[in-house]
Amino acid sequence: AQKITQTQPGMFVQEKEAVTLDCTYDTSDPSYGLFWYKQPSSGEMIFLIYQGSYDQQNATEGRYSLNFQKARKSANLVISASQLGDSAMYFCAMREVSMNTGFQKLVFGTGTRLLVSP
Amino acid sequence: EAEVAQSPRYKITEKSQAVAFWCDPISGHATLYWYRQILGQGPELLVQFQDESVVDDSQLPKDRFSAERLKGVDSTLKIQPAELGDSAMYLCASSLSGTVVLSDTQYFGPGTRLTVL
Repeated sequence: AQKITQTQPGMFVQEKEAVTLDCTYDTSDPSYGLFWYKQPSSGEMIFLIYQGSYDQQNATEGRYSLNFQKARKSANLVISASQLGDSAMYFCAMREVSMNTGFQKLVFGTGTRLLVSP
Repeated sequence: EAEVAQSPRYKITEKSQAVAFWCDPISGHATLYWYRQILGQGPELLVQFQDESVVDDSQLPKDRFSAERLKGVDSTLKIQPAELGDSAMYLCASSLSGTVVLSDTQYFGPGTRLTVL
């Protein structure tokens, strides 16, 4: 069963505008973490922002903010004032704890390709 | 700023040949991860080390893939023999603890893009 769902294969936004990238997740664990990563065409995965399931406030990091709606199991990434350099793939990931090992691993969605136009 | 190092960045090989990838995690990070990312998909975990021990290799095709982290620092992932379906990006990541710390963040290296002909 898909645990992380990103329904937008591609998104377009004009420079300086805000854009929201959707992410929904599925877990029965009350304790979990949600991460967003950016992957430019060069290939490296760049950590953007983290939200814990017990965090009272939505996470923010510079131009990135996370719209966390726990009851709806959604963790959408909001990028404000888009820049040309924001063009990349964006992946939502959930921290999953192995029942066997007790160690965490990340489960990724399929990603959303964002294109910022001048 | 500390980074995860990987080499080579690109590798082209013929099927049935052996290939090896190297990863040096951020200093002090106990947990090291190898992921495979097929084009158009998100990364999938192949193997996870805690110090020098493997803690999860359930998705590693053990008939052809092997991984080691002998001194608990850098790591090598090997494929022998390579098959056409192994063409992918191989990403290495590291984190401070790997255990159930909610905010334990994985930091990724630049990846090795493998093409098998």
